[in-house]
Amino acid sequence: NAGVTQTPKFRVLKTGQSMTLLCAQDMNHEYMYWYRQDPGMGLRLIHYSVGEGTTAKGEVPDGYNVSRLKKQNFLLGLESAAPSQTSVYFCASSYPRGRTNEKLFFGSGTQLSVL
Amino acid sequence: AQKITQTQPGMFVQEKEAVTLDCTYDTSDPSYGLFWYKQPSSGEMIFLIYQGSYDQQNATEGRYSLNFQKARKSANLVISASQLGDSAMYFCAMRGYGGSQGNLIFGKGTKLSVKP
Repeated sequence: NAGVTQTPKFRVLKTGQSMTLLCAQDMNHEYMYWYRQDPGMGLRLIHYSVGEGTTAKGEVPDGYNVSRLKKQNFLLGLESAAPSQTSVYFCASSYPRGRTNEKLFFGSGTQLSVL
Repeated sequence: AQKITQTQPGMFVQEKEAVTLDCTYDTSDPSYGLFWYKQPSSGEMIFLIYQGSYDQQNATEGRYSLNFQKARKSANLVISASQLGDSAMYFCAMRGYGGSQGNLIFGKGTKLSVKP
């Protein structure tokens, strides 16, 4: 059982380049999330999705776009990368938030460096 | 707005001793859940323990227990009999159900170092 899989694991971009991070989950979860982790900042929510075809902004959405065309996949796009987007990106998924004890399952993270 | 505060950027503990990691929270949601995650140096996020706002008993999971004091809005993690493998970042998180969006928000974390 793979759980939540993120690709790629590492990436180096030049300023202005674009890229897409892919997240796939095999647990049939409705909800999916993208977080970024920066030193001393904890994890901050970028965008999330409560179901196929739906997306919503989180705490730090600027400079990112997302798509959820299939239930099992959640894509995070950077159209024009900036050095401030250097971070570790985590994807997560969960069951619906009808119950507050639904924990998030996390992928292993993507280390992105923008030069 | 919801907020999680972890006031200890770093802590040291002697192997085999107990340690408490502090977490305070703020929310206007009538019900909510509190979580602790561990992040070892390898980077993955590992779920440790959960406490519901209406749970009467403090949660326990093996060597982990959550000291939940609702009136003080605190949800401290207690690790008993520390092991070298407990050295990691620890994040407190909260998920509300009510007026908030219900997403999981995190504190800034506490780095725990266990000394042999």
